[in-house]
Amino acid sequence: SYVLTQPPSVSVAPGKTAGITCGGDNIGTYSVHWYQQKPGQAPVLVVYDDSDRPSGIPERFSGSNSGNTATLTIARVEAGDEADYYCQVWDSSSVHSWVFGGGTRLTVL
Amino acid sequence: QVHLVESGGGLVKPGGSLRLSCAASGFTFSDSYMTWIRQAPGKGLEWVSYISSSGHTTSYADSVKGRFTISRDNSKNSLYLQMNSLRVEDTAMYYCSIEGNTGQFDPWGQGTLVTVSS
Repeated sequence: SYVLTQPPSVSVAPGKTAGITCGGDNIGTYSVHWYQQKPGQAPVLVVYDDSDRPSGIPERFSGSNSGNTATLTIARVEAGDEADYYCQVWDSSSVHSWVFGGGTRLTVL
Repeated sequence: QVHLVESGGGLVKPGGSLRLSCAASGFTFSDSYMTWIRQAPGKGLEWVSYISSSGHTTSYADSVKGRFTISRDNSKNSLYLQMNSLRVEDTAMYYCSIEGNTGQFDPWGQGTLVTVSS
């Protein structure tokens, strides 16, 4: 089955830019989606189809995807961005097609 | 406004059964693909099951195949997950969500907690 690999943690100072990676074999050929989950809350979609933002998501959140790595970038990081972030793809070539990365804890210093 | 509300979670002994429900509102439920996703305490997200808009097509994670059954009642705008032969490792928060055109999940309900323990 398809595997997505994320770093367990990323730390960033307020006002700086954070990058969270998601690695997978030829992930550039998939549509990658990103979710934010704050403690005690359900996940929220923040980027879909590699780089699109749902309505209501700040422009500070952006995504890219190429080769074997997808990246979620958060510009001008705020304390409220501290959360777990998960990448996810739909592998249409597989019966059990919906795969999540292991998640990355973003800490705002 | 799209709204998903899960219910039916609780404490159950290993080998027992539970039926989860997800009440949907604010969108055309009968046109939507639906899914269940779970999260064990302190762990990451795991896709559990999918059902097509008509209910004719379903899919399950290997970890639950043969024990869980997903279904829906479009007349009641409701999604269900029948969980049988529950194991300790099924302990998790269970979320329902709408699956989008390219496999994304949006939005999610608030979840219902299932605890399997003797």
